[in-house]
Amino acid sequence: GENVEQHPSTLSVQEGDSAVIKCTYSDSASNYFPWYKQELGKGPQLIIDIRSNVGEKKDQRIAVTLNKTAKHFSLHITETQPEDSAVYFCAAPSGGSYIPTFGRGTSLIVHP
Amino acid sequence: KAGVTQTPRYLIKTRGQQVTLSCSPISGHRSVSWYQQTPGQGLQFLFEYFSETQRNKGNFPGRFSGRQFSNSRSEMNVSTLELGDSALYLCASSGGGGLNEKLFFGSGTQLSVL
Repeated sequence: GENVEQHPSTLSVQEGDSAVIKCTYSDSASNYFPWYKQELGKGPQLIIDIRSNVGEKKDQRIAVTLNKTAKHFSLHITETQPEDSAVYFCAAPSGGSYIPTFGRGTSLIVHP
Repeated sequence: KAGVTQTPRYLIKTRGQQVTLSCSPISGHRSVSWYQQTPGQGLQFLFEYFSETQRNKGNFPGRFSGRQFSNSRSEMNVSTLELGDSALYLCASSGGGGLNEKLFFGSGTQLSVL
């Protein structure tokens, strides 16, 4: 099955700084990589995803990069704001699987 | 469109009891998955239902079971509750049940076992 490692577990930044969260996966057949944001008291919400036929995808202040050779993908948040404070999860399904394996999560704290 | 709805939001039970949690997916979605979230283990997959059939199952004991109805609503049941079952139980739905579909999560049911 798929194994997903996520780092760091906690990330503290000042408002306006950039934040980067990295994930590695084990199954080379994996081809879909979503990122979820979980705010306190809520379920995870999809914020961006990337498929293996592209190396980078951007949506305003967030971007995801994928390196299939090294089997890792990263979430980049620029110009962080206090409302970006949340737990972020990466995920990857094994090739041919309907079920994603989630990373352990990164608690992002943005200080005003 | 209404999102994924889970009821109840909070539950307190004692060891040995059983509990049933409910999930209403987004209208038109046919796949429903259940996850257990704890601080120590993160998001752990329980099972997934598609068109009333359990299609995938995680590594949880038989005390955890589920079902899906013809309107795609799903329930999960935990029998003979243990202290370690205390967790946030999340339900997620997706549309056509194909590979690599976006998951939409509910806000979860927080279960406390005393």
